[in-house]
Amino acid sequence: GQQLNQSPQSMFIQEGEDVSMNCTSSSIFNTWLWYKQEPGEGPVLLIALYKAGELTSNGRLTAQFGITRKDSFLNISASIPSDVGIYFCAGHKGGSEKLVFGKGTKLTVNP
Amino acid sequence: DGGITQSPKYLFRKEGQNVTLSCEQNLNHDAMYWYRQDPGQGLRLIYYSQIVNDFQKGDIAEGYSVSREKKESFPLTVTSAQKNPTAFYLCASTPPDRGGGNTIYFGEGSWLTVV
Repeated sequence: GQQLNQSPQSMFIQEGEDVSMNCTSSSIFNTWLWYKQEPGEGPVLLIALYKAGELTSNGRLTAQFGITRKDSFLNISASIPSDVGIYFCAGHKGGSEKLVFGKGTKLTVNP
Repeated sequence: DGGITQSPKYLFRKEGQNVTLSCEQNLNHDAMYWYRQDPGQGLRLIYYSQIVNDFQKGDIAEGYSVSREKKESFPLTVTSAQKNPTAFYLCASTPPDRGGGNTIYFGEGSWLTVV
């Protein structure tokens, strides 16, 4: 099945640094979702985006729905050790189409 | 509390055995899904159901079976035909799509190990 192109695959950063990751696709999506997954747990929804150009924040997290509807990014500001995990993007074309997932960005934060 | 409950959290299966993973949701969601996640990999769709008594194969349905007799429940059976079943299994559900797009919610996952 189709998957989104998510990058980078992994990031190693120092506490306090800002982080940026993105997802791209050759297809247009109506919804972009960002999830965080900690080891041994299910993904937890961070931010949902429903309109092209939409910029939404959730605490230190900010995500944007690309204006072309083919991409989205997630930024984390002033990272802390508990930000460690795998971040997934997901896109939905609408209707009966299935969600499509990126392969994830593994984030490591060094104290 | 509303949510998706998967059980068991850890399951060990002997070669040649069928095992069933439970998934229950009290969110009144219509659609339910099963995904498989291997280490370092993304999520792969096994089966999904958009309504009671109906389900569809996903991308990797071979060796798996499901049923949807009740709206709240979507159990997954990993059969002996699944050659490499050791993985992390995630159940998920979505509310009706009212044109604004679907947001999928996940359970906490079940680890299946073949011994």
